[in-house]
Amino acid sequence: KQEVTQIPAALSVPEGENLVLNCSFTDSAIYNLQWFRQDPGKGLTSLLLIQSSQREQTSGRLNASLDKSSGRSTLYIAASQPGDSATYLCAVRPGSGGSEKLVFGKGTKLTVNP
Amino acid sequence: DAGVIQSPRHEVTEMGQEVTLRCKPISGHDYLFWYRQTMMRGLELLIYFNNNVPIDDSGMPEDRFSAKMPNASFSTLKIQPSEPRDSAVYFCASSQGTGGRTGEQYFGPGTRLTVT
Repeated sequence: KQEVTQIPAALSVPEGENLVLNCSFTDSAIYNLQWFRQDPGKGLTSLLLIQSSQREQTSGRLNASLDKSSGRSTLYIAASQPGDSATYLCAVRPGSGGSEKLVFGKGTKLTVNP
Repeated sequence: DAGVIQSPRHEVTEMGQEVTLRCKPISGHDYLFWYRQTMMRGLELLIYFNNNVPIDDSGMPEDRFSAKMPNASFSTLKIQPSEPRDSAVYFCASSQGTGGRTGEQYFGPGTRLTVT
């Protein structure tokens, strides 16, 4: 059974700092991996999606990497801003794409202090 | 597009009452997902549909929970009878699926359910 773990559960940093959020999964047989952002009281917003054949994806100040063999992904946020404060969730799609099911980690709550 | 629409946004009910949550997916998306989020268990998939047909309902906790999708633009998640442990945020999401695409899922704002 696929399990996704995100460490740390919470992170507090000063504005301007570069930071890395970690995600690990137990089964390397994944179709893709997705990073989401969740603001308090809101739904999830997709940030980046990495296919199993890819190593990384970039969007603005965000960069996500994938090392399937070691079961790890990282989300790098450059020059953090208070507006980046949110919970970041990692989700994997197990298998070869036959199922649309996503398995989520419990998230990392990020606070960027001005 | 207005995105995934869920109603109500908040629901407070007493134990034993029937609760119905509603979802309108993004037009053109043929997959619809129902998730539940709690502090203890995080975000869990309850059930998903493809072209209005339930594909995987292995996450539905028990017979008190049922989901339907009578057409491509509407789905319901019903809890009958409700219990305090059902208190959670319920999310609906939709996607175009993989099949040559990324299968990226788009989430609604959620329904916060409180059962007293």
